[in-house]
Amino acid sequence: SQQGEEDPQALSIQEGENATMNCSYKTSINNLQWYRQNSGRGLVHLILIRSNEREKHSGRLRVTLDTSKKSSSLLITASRAADTASYFCATAQTGANSKLTFGKGITLSVRP
Amino acid sequence: DAGVIQSPRHEVTEMGQEVTLRCKPISGHDYLFWYRQTMMRGLELLIYFNNNVPIDDSGMPEDRFSAKMPNASFSTLKIQPSEPRDSAVYFCASRGQGGYNEQFFGPGTRLTVL
Repeated sequence: SQQGEEDPQALSIQEGENATMNCSYKTSINNLQWYRQNSGRGLVHLILIRSNEREKHSGRLRVTLDTSKKSSSLLITASRAADTASYFCATAQTGANSKLTFGKGITLSVRP
Repeated sequence: DAGVIQSPRHEVTEMGQEVTLRCKPISGHDYLFWYRQTMMRGLELLIYFNNNVPIDDSGMPEDRFSAKMPNASFSTLKIQPSEPRDSAVYFCASRGQGGYNEQFFGPGTRLTVL
């Protein structure tokens, strides 16, 4: 079964608005990562947050991690049409952190 | 660096044929991963290698699937014989050592088995 489950499955917003995507997982993790996939392309790493971190920022991205609730959120501020893509959370489990388990992804559409 | 290179980008074959997918990881990366992506099942890890040695092949669906990494710069994923349900996009990814490293994905091979 999937370790990471994203929510919502699809999100449509207007350019300039913020997009919030959530991810829940089941087991203890070493780190959690977010990836983006444009249509017909491979996945691209966006940001990594370690299990002992609560929040990280990278440009317009903000990710939070709540290990007590086994959940993470990705916030994209001031969205652009170019942010239209699928977004995946991926977890590296404690004791098996060489590999990642991916969720099914969130489809984000940003309308110009 | 050119990034992770996969070939072919598209493959159309008939049921029963052998299919070989190829991957060249980023130079210096110690880990190589093979994934399969479908609408129904999402992104699934098939197998991964560390220093050319297969570490976890629990995701390989059947004996029809096999993967090799003869050296640090080349890996293959073979399906023999292929079936229509193998149709998917197959990704190769690589990363360096350490516990907090991102994976770098190739562009994928879109496989269609008729």
